[in-house]
This record gives sequence, structure tokens and C-alpha cells, in this order.
Amino acid sequence: DTAVSQTPKYLVTQMGNDKSIKCEQNLGHDTMYWYKQDSKKFLKIMFSYNNKELIINETVPNRFSPKSPDKAHLNLHINSLELGDSAVYFCASSQPTQLNEQFFGPGTRLTVL
Amino acid sequence: GESVGLHLPTLSVQEGDNSIINCAYSNSASDYFIWYKQESGKGPQFIIDIRSNMDKRQGQRVTVLLNKTVKHLSLQIAATQPGDSAVYFCAENTGGFKTIFGAGTRLFVKA
Repeated sequence: DTAVSQTPKYLVTQMGNDKSIKCEQNLGHDTMYWYKQDSKKFLKIMFSYNNKELIINETVPNRFSPKSPDKAHLNLHINSLELGDSAVYFCASSQPTQLNEQFFGPGTRLTVL
Repeated sequence: GESVGLHLPTLSVQEGDNSIINCAYSNSASDYFIWYKQESGKGPQFIIDIRSNMDKRQGQRVTVLLNKTVKHLSLQIAATQPGDSAVYFCAENTGGFKTIFGAGTRLFVKA
């Protein structure tokens, strides 16, 4: 049983394109996150959502727009992709009472050419 | 500013030995300190956390030590196994919805 799933696993696209990454969790968690991991493995939070509401937006460019249609889903849409957007994007979830124990998805490797 | 860092970017240990992964932090206001393990090609996985009012916490084969005087955190892995090979991240949480991750330490376990 997959707890946190992401699609696609790999995404290769041209600069300037718009793309989306989907995330779903079947853990019944109220809180979901998006993280970006660069080539040096540095992991940085981008967004936190709780009960479908945006809680944290870590100075991410407006080109990145998360959307939470329900508590089990947090999708990430990226407009006008740039070379610097190339990274691995991780979705995660947790209960708001246990924010330390986050469950991560397998990641989406985005390559912008 | 807030930062969580690591003393050693890579650590190589012999199978069966104990491993110690270190981490320095600068934010004294953090409520929790957390360790995650990331295996190749996978997302990070929670290992253990410790509240700021504690100095030691033990889990299964792992122990986390917190020294608030010198703002130092360590993860000890007993009897290291090949399956422990991964990148280990320390992280901190100030009680809200934001977790700040350190740079990571790669652990190699030699058979």
C-alpha cells in the first residue's frame, strides 16, 4: 500500500513550458508539504498546507502554484519553467499533532532543458 | 538566522561498528530536533525526534543526543548494517508547520 504517491516520477521538459506534479496520500493526514531537493541534496520546504489551506509559502516564485482539491491531494503546478527549477520535488504529509514525523513520497525528478 | 548544518559530509564505517553522525544548529528557539534517513532514489524517512527539553532519546538501534549548551545534535547508530547506508538529515521544527533541514551526511557501511 502506497502511503504518499507522486506522479510522474520523471519529468523532462523545455524551458518556458508549464507542468504539473500530482501528490496523493492515503494516510488520512491533514497536513501536506512540497519540498525541493537540489543536486547537492539540500532539502528546502516550499509550501505547507493544513486542511486544504496554505500555511507556509517559503518565498517561492509565483510561477509555482500549489493546489489542494481535498485533504488527500496537493498538486504543484509550475509555469514558465526555468533551468534552475531542475531538481527533485518531494511531497510529504503528516498529522498536525505530529509535525515532526513526515511521510515523504518517492519524489519527482524534474529536468528542464 | 535559522540554520541547521552538519560537521561531516561523508562518513564511512565498518559493518558492525557504531556510527555517530553530528549536526550543529543555530536556532535556540526550536522545539524539536529530528533525524531523517534518505536511501538512494527514495524520499526521506523519519527516524527519531527529540524535544528541546530533553538531552537523550533512544529508539531501536538509534540514540539521539542533544547538547543545547553548544547547540549540537548527534545520531548514534549501534551495530551499523549495510542497510543503514543512506544520507542522514538533521532537521529542526519551531513548533509550527515549517521544518528546516540540514545539508545531510552520507553514511557508507563497508562489509
